[in-house]
Amino acid sequence: DSGVTQTPKHLITATGQRVTLRCSPRSGDLSVYWYQQSLDQGLQFLIQYYNGEERAKGNILERFSAQQFPDLHSELNLSSLELGDSALYFCASSVVPGGDYEAFFGQGTRLTVV
Amino acid sequence: AQSVTQLDSQVPVFEEAPVELRCNYSSSVSVYLFWYVQYPNQGLQLLLKYLSGSTLVKGINGFEAEFNKSQTSFHLRKPSVHISDTAEYFCAVSGTGGTSYGKLTFGQGTILTVHP
Repeated sequence: DSGVTQTPKHLITATGQRVTLRCSPRSGDLSVYWYQQSLDQGLQFLIQYYNGEERAKGNILERFSAQQFPDLHSELNLSSLELGDSALYFCASSVVPGGDYEAFFGQGTRLTVV
Repeated sequence: AQSVTQLDSQVPVFEEAPVELRCNYSSSVSVYLFWYVQYPNQGLQLLLKYLSGSTLVKGINGFEAEFNKSQTSFHLRKPSVHISDTAEYFCAVSGTGGTSYGKLTFGQGTILTVHP
């Protein structure tokens, strides 16, 4: 158990819908990262937060948004869902941003868009 | 920007045999290098990382990797594999500063299958 909790574990929804994925980082970790893992794109960085502020953006679609709340949990919102959004979405956390601090990954939320 | 290429998508080996999983990276800036392992239906777990210093890095579960700056490689090795090492392995890179600091760029993964 990495200490990073993601809910829900599985989500099935229809095209055009909106979903929210939730991440609780390890106790004491201030930085949260979101990654998308799909068969065709592999593991891709989406967005990073540090202590409530957005710090870096990757290949995140405009239909997707995220935030980190004062209690440090984070939510990833996906809207106007398309079939191609079906993927495993991982959250990771670290004490502070930076490769010298290990990023711990949650078990992911598997999103299926039908 | 950084990129990572894992040269083998699948590597089958027999139990107790040695294995090497190959990783090359490209970056215009200094990087940190990582290997992660993903077991079925699990998240990613850090095996080892190179930040600086000795180019030979030892990690968990008997794995080690060697950083070769001239060849921009970071190959993962284990002298004797077990059935339990069957998993997907990801090589990753991050920048050492700026907005790339902490952001991981992953390779496409190598599926290691250990046969009895």
